[in-house]
Amino acid sequence: KAGVTQTPRYLIKTRGQQVTLSCSPISGHRSVSWYQQTPGQGLQFLFEYFSETQRNKGNFPGRFSGRQFSNSRSEMNVSTLELGDSALYLCASSLVELSSYNSPLHFGNGTRLTVT
Amino acid sequence: DAKTTQPPSMDCAEGRAANLPCNHSTISGNEYVYWYRQIHSQGPQYIIHGLKNNETNEMASLIITEDRKSSTLILPHATLRDTAVYYCIVRGLRHSGGYQKVTFGTGTKLQVIP
Repeated sequence: KAGVTQTPRYLIKTRGQQVTLSCSPISGHRSVSWYQQTPGQGLQFLFEYFSETQRNKGNFPGRFSGRQFSNSRSEMNVSTLELGDSALYLCASSLVELSSYNSPLHFGNGTRLTVT
Repeated sequence: DAKTTQPPSMDCAEGRAANLPCNHSTISGNEYVYWYRQIHSQGPQYIIHGLKNNETNEMASLIITEDRKSSTLILPHATLRDTAVYYCIVRGLRHSGGYQKVTFGTGTKLQVIP
């Protein structure tokens, strides 16, 4: 069974631009959650989508948004990029929604975003 | 959400058992303990999880104390490929209601030495 696939693997953008990241979950998984990982802050929760609905959101500004499609694939968008948005963005999928906490998250290898 | 505390780094000789501790003294009754590891430039890899009982799978064993305030991940025969950052997290419903978030701490950097 294929794992979680994130594209692109690397991305370089300039301040003020916007970016869209893509995540394809493991087949049959309906929950997709997004995380930002930086050396200083560690791994931080951005948001979760389940059945095309945002179920939970972390403490990030409105510039960070996402959506989920009917096939469970998800996209994350960051508008008006800032230098501090440089990070590894990870997507994780789960068989059921995060509130069913007896189900492991399976992570992709992330998208490395560099903002210059 | 319950917080976890782990030592920042540990060394283990190749072939020996690696025992990674985690303190989660504020864990509540419905929270599970999960372990993940992350090798440089890859996403976190799920290892094992448990609620109260000890668990074992093909990768590792998880020992949870009776009061559930701490746990230990055991890699029975560490190899060089086990060198990674290991994260212990807890997941469960928030007492205030609503959905729970997933938060990783700083983890333990395990170095397996030849």
